[in-house]
Amino acid sequence: NAGVTQTPKFRILKIGQSMTLQCAQDMNHNYMYWYRQDPGMGLKLIYYSVGAGITDKGEVPNGYNVSRSTTEDFPLRLELAAPSQTSVYFCASSYLGRISEAFFGQGTRLTVV
Amino acid sequence: EDKVVQSPLSLVVHEGDTVTLNCSYEVTNFRSLLWYKQEKKAPTFLFMLTSSGIEKKSGRLSSILDKKELFSILNITATQTGDSAVYLCAVFREGGGSQGNLIFGKGTKLSVKP
Repeated sequence: NAGVTQTPKFRILKIGQSMTLQCAQDMNHNYMYWYRQDPGMGLKLIYYSVGAGITDKGEVPNGYNVSRSTTEDFPLRLELAAPSQTSVYFCASSYLGRISEAFFGQGTRLTVV
Repeated sequence: EDKVVQSPLSLVVHEGDTVTLNCSYEVTNFRSLLWYKQEKKAPTFLFMLTSSGIEKKSGRLSSILDKKELFSILNITATQTGDSAVYLCAVFREGGGSQGNLIFGKGTKLSVKP
């Protein structure tokens, strides 16, 4: 009964380093999303995917890349980390075709120094 | 551009008070409206509303949707300090673009004082 699993939970990066935030869901959801949330702010959509092999940019895609090679996994790649990418990142998933809620992972707190 | 607007943005009440949080939306191809509670971690699901006029209830929390007037309210009665959180409203729509198919409001920050 894992739901949406995100790793790591915390990470500190130096400016210019790269990393991949992992997200996996075991509910056979076709939609997956990456959001970032800055302190005291709402959720901003970075990228989303409507199914394996299909990804689309959200509101704030610059500095990020994604891939969706399988239904289960939706990793978010940060290339050349910048202090502006310090944030909490949430992965979520939902199912198109049956009206239900979106399920969230526990979040990754990323600090770029 | 579709949008979800929550009000107020923040609210301070005392324990025992009743609060009403508002969510209005302008969304094409509406499918459902969701309420989440967020306490310094991932949002947790509260309610999903698809039909007008049908109240969803869970303990001291309740919510209702008005699809004609395009809004929803979340009521919390007899508030407790544990209700302090950010309450997020989101709307599922059919569609994509840079907003995706799930649009969030900015949230209402509720603080309940003892």
